[in-house]
Amino acid sequence: SAVISQKPSRDICQRGTSLTIQCQVDSQVTMMFWYRQQPGQSLTLIATANQGSEATYESGFVIDKFPISRPNLTFSTLTVSNMSPEDSSIYLCSGTPGTANTEAFFGQGTRLTVV
Amino acid sequence: QKEVEQNSGPLSVPEGAIASLNCTYSDRGSQSFFWYRQYSGKSPELIMFIYSNGDKEDGRFTAQLNKASQYVSLLIRDSQPSDSATYLCAVPFSGGYNKLIFGAGTRLAVHP
Repeated sequence: SAVISQKPSRDICQRGTSLTIQCQVDSQVTMMFWYRQQPGQSLTLIATANQGSEATYESGFVIDKFPISRPNLTFSTLTVSNMSPEDSSIYLCSGTPGTANTEAFFGQGTRLTVV
Repeated sequence: QKEVEQNSGPLSVPEGAIASLNCTYSDRGSQSFFWYRQYSGKSPELIMFIYSNGDKEDGRFTAQLNKASQYVSLLIRDSQPSDSATYLCAVPFSGGYNKLIFGAGTRLAVHP
């Protein structure tokens, strides 16, 4: 399976600021996704990062708060904007070849703390 | 709205025993099912996936699927302390290959 390098691995940020998280895949993947994992919780899908077009957001997530870019098939960014303590979570990117019944693999995650 | 349900645990088993992890899902149209393992502070890693009714075995792990009952399970034979982790059941969104809905996860503790 492909390897996703995600950075930063962790950060502590002031409320009201923004943080951009990057994911680089070592091979082309059809689909990339961004998830959030709040403390003690499971993973919740934020959005699908579409190559060359606007991301597709899940219910409860909006572009103004979580702008996403995907300029090519191996790279994507997620920005957490105007942060508040409620945004403190682990953010994970995921990639998949996009065919049915194949593995979705994850980056190492970014542990974000907003103070 | 699709739902994936798991008992959050913790499930505590002695070393060498069989650990049984269960998952139910709400969408009868679901076709494939994934089990991920997540160690504390780490990202999820795929253990197995299954899409046919019955059992699928891989080493010490067996996934069992019963679509009529909307039930999927993961059995871990000869449990080891290194198996202690949270196990996440995941089901793809309708029509979205590997855009996954995750259950809450079951925390497994294997004690010596």
